[in-house]
Amino acid sequence: GEDVEQSLFLSVREGDSSVINCTYTDSSSTYLYWYKQEPGAGLQLLTYIFSNMDMKQDQRLTVLLNKKDKHLSLRIADTQTGDSAIYFCAEMREDGQNFVFGPGTRLSVLP
Amino acid sequence: GAVVSQHPSWVICKSGTSVKIECRSLDFQATTMFWYRQFPKQSLMLMATSNEGSKATYEQGVEKDKFLINHASLTLSTLTVTSAHPEDSSFYICSARDLRQPNSGNTIYFGEGSWLTVV
Repeated sequence: GEDVEQSLFLSVREGDSSVINCTYTDSSSTYLYWYKQEPGAGLQLLTYIFSNMDMKQDQRLTVLLNKKDKHLSLRIADTQTGDSAIYFCAEMREDGQNFVFGPGTRLSVLP
Repeated sequence: GAVVSQHPSWVICKSGTSVKIECRSLDFQATTMFWYRQFPKQSLMLMATSNEGSKATYEQGVEKDKFLINHASLTLSTLTVTSAHPEDSSFYICSARDLRQPNSGNTIYFGEGSWLTVV
């Protein structure tokens, strides 16, 4: 996923908010996604946002999209130990076929 | 949401043998499925796009003869790792595209993944 970048690690204390950032390069991306992967498991879709939106909220999750800067963020409110996982940002290219993942951000939640 | 199932979840095989991984869309038909590979602590890398009834499209650097993909029906794609070697050990994940709601952003569904260990 060299076209999608993320910081590799993030540590937060339980109860704090986590913000995971992502930058992408293709302005033709139609949708942007956040996936969660727990150790040894597959991918769990957390949320996604259409490229003409700038914010989407779903319970503890808030996605912000700055299309001008090609910047996407995922905020997790009241982070819990069960949120510890790797979070992947991904973009769907305009052709609807090409799905590009970032390197993943490993979130560690400290008690 | 739609369900995609992979089998087996775990497989250990001897070096030089071949192993087949199945990807099934359980409640929808998928003309297109995707195969990814994930090395430990790394991201997912697209290996190939599997098209029902036609040849798969492989990404650059992926050996077609080593990773055989067959998409013989609208609900099943298989990935066969031929003459497996220890460096093929990895986590393989498939996804399938559900076109029942083409204007929805949520059209790609992932399988649970398959761990391959070649000894």
